Amino acid sequence: GESVGLHLPTLSVQEGDNSIINCAYSNSASDYFIWYKQESGKGPQFIIDIRSNMDKRQGQRVTVLLNKTVKHLSLQIAATQPGDSAVYFCAENIPHGAQKLVFGQGTRLTINP
Amino acid sequence: ETGVTQSPTHLIKTRGQQVTLRCSSQSGHNTVSWYQQALGQGPQFIFQYYREEENGRGNFPPRFSGLQFPNYSSELNVNALELDDSALYLCASSGPGLAGHEQYFGPGTRLTVT
Repeated sequence: GESVGLHLPTLSVQEGDNSIINCAYSNSASDYFIWYKQESGKGPQFIIDIRSNMDKRQGQRVTVLLNKTVKHLSLQIAATQPGDSAVYFCAENIPHGAQKLVFGQGTRLTINP
Repeated sequence: ETGVTQSPTHLIKTRGQQVTLRCSSQSGHNTVSWYQQALGQGPQFIFQYYREEENGRGNFPPRFSGLQFPNYSSELNVNALELDDSALYLCASSGPGLAGHEQYFGPGTRLTVT
């Protein structure tokens, strides 16, 4: 079946350190993988995506790594700031008719001062 | 902000009742998707509308239905509400010039069924 899961439900890091959030997926047909950030009371906010034929993509302070061999996805946030506190979801896009996003359960990232 | 708006913000209903949730997509976006997000979970795909037609559906019963209007705004209707329908309902829009997975989410409607 389709599933996107996360290894750690919570992650606590010191301000200024790097954060790594991990995700496992199961659907080999997914063409894109996306990371979303969701702050309390808000909808998910797009952070970065990666196409299935790539293994690394960098954005501003964020890097996504994709390992298709073990069906693993990670989000690295450099120099974590208090504003990075949120729940992070990975999602995979399954291109069958509708562009359907399948989300994982999420990881809560908290920043210690 | 994404430009996607939803109403109402919060809603309390009784089991067995019907509810209608509304979504205005970002200007120029012709595709709207609806998701259900239970507390502590990731969003789950309900269905997607493209140019006023249902374009795909997730594992939700027929009592979940929708509409998309000529201005691309959308409604989600849920009949015979059950306690497990309590969740945050999110709509996301996408459109020309964007890849299908580039969906912009609204803030959601928090539905509580008692």
